[in-house]
Amino acid sequence: GESVGLHLPTLSVQEGDNSIINCAYSNSASDYFIWYKQESGKGPQFIIDIRSNMDKRQGQRVTVLLNKTVKHLSLQIAATQPGDSAVYFCAEVRDNYGQNFVFGPGTRLSVLP
Amino acid sequence: EPEVTQTPSHQVTQMGQEVILRCVPISNHLYFYWYRQILGQKVEFLVSFYNNEISEKSEIFDDQFSVERPDGSNFTLKIRSTKLEDSAMYFCASSEAGPGIGYTFGSGTRLTVV
Repeated sequence: GESVGLHLPTLSVQEGDNSIINCAYSNSASDYFIWYKQESGKGPQFIIDIRSNMDKRQGQRVTVLLNKTVKHLSLQIAATQPGDSAVYFCAEVRDNYGQNFVFGPGTRLSVLP
Repeated sequence: EPEVTQTPSHQVTQMGQEVILRCVPISNHLYFYWYRQILGQKVEFLVSFYNNEISEKSEIFDDQFSVERPDGSNFTLKIRSTKLEDSAMYFCASSEAGPGIGYTFGSGTRLTVV
């Protein structure tokens, strides 16, 4: 049967507008988070990271916000461009000694001309 | 920019056959990982490898799977007796020192079991 996972949440934005993609994480002990971008047929590509001792970090056109109280992470993309169209995943490292990421389910960003 | 290289990009195999997926991590990286992504679903951790041994593995990584670093450059994932549900993208990743430093994914191998 069809997988629920095929129905990724989709965010459609007009080119030039700002995008906000949200992610809820599950483990309050997670201390490191990354946003990844995945284009069709490619591996996850690092966008920006943040450690749990921070609540905001800015990169080029991207900002990550971390709210540990409600275990919420967001990715803001300024002046969204057609090349930003992709699936975006947040990933967390679940404990201080873990080396592997736990990925969220992903959001598909669609940039409209 | 250094890359993690995976071969082949696409592998088709018959159910019950063994497959070996190959990865060349970034040369100065010490930690190596395999992840799996079933079509349309999230990326799932399989195994991490450090100092020539498995350091962590998920419940997905059962006796059907094994990893090896046969020489100084390759890192392989072997799947014995493949099942239809093993069809997925398999991503290799490597990092300098745990997930925080230089963590890089390869482009993946699409495995199709028929």
